[in-house]
Amino acid sequence: DAGITQSPRHKVTETGTPVTLRCHQTENHRYMYWYRQDPGHGLRLIHYSYGVKDTDKGEVSDGYSVSRSKTEDFLLTLESATSSQTSVYFCAISGMGDTIYFGEGSWLTVV
Amino acid sequence: EDKVVQSPLSLVVHEGDTVTLNCSYEVTNFRSLLWYKQEKKAPTFLFMLTSSGIEKKSGRLSSILDKKELFSILNITATQTGDSAVYLCAAPGGTSYGKLTFGQGTILTVHP
Repeated sequence: DAGITQSPRHKVTETGTPVTLRCHQTENHRYMYWYRQDPGHGLRLIHYSYGVKDTDKGEVSDGYSVSRSKTEDFLLTLESATSSQTSVYFCAISGMGDTIYFGEGSWLTVV
Repeated sequence: EDKVVQSPLSLVVHEGDTVTLNCSYEVTNFRSLLWYKQEKKAPTFLFMLTSSGIEKKSGRLSSILDKKELFSILNITATQTGDSAVYLCAAPGGTSYGKLTFGQGTILTVHP
């Protein structure tokens, strides 16, 4: 298994509250990603990082921000959670190349 | 906009059957296509294909890419109940690594 740890694994939060998901890797890979997976939409890229402090938007970035202050950690923040952000969130990593490896997922429910 | 389409969306078979899953793509600056298997958790990597006509094989699973017709197939022979999963194909777009566009997935159910 790729050395990726996501936390929390499950969270229920209220609409309007901030939420931060953490991804920690032990592989020293340069690239890190946040995807969300929803029925009918599959996996979609939210944000990605190509190095410390280097991040960029993906396909569905509205309502999300990210930070990467260390190679091993990539944080995804929902500034004010909405019900449409109820989803499964996967962190992924890659070295040099297109093959990405996924973490175990974080199940987020916004009520 | 890059697009990856999988078919069928779901498939029910019995153990021992052979299945073929399809993936077509429209991707700018295509360079590779990837297959993943997802059970009740994270997708796990199966294959990456970059060249037309060269089969990649792992046990009972094999896959091939046709860059002229813009599709790939994933074959599973002698299916087992443990093959039940969602199979995802994806293609990277743009110039940055790992920015994958995923298909909707094929849900494979294998009955004993």
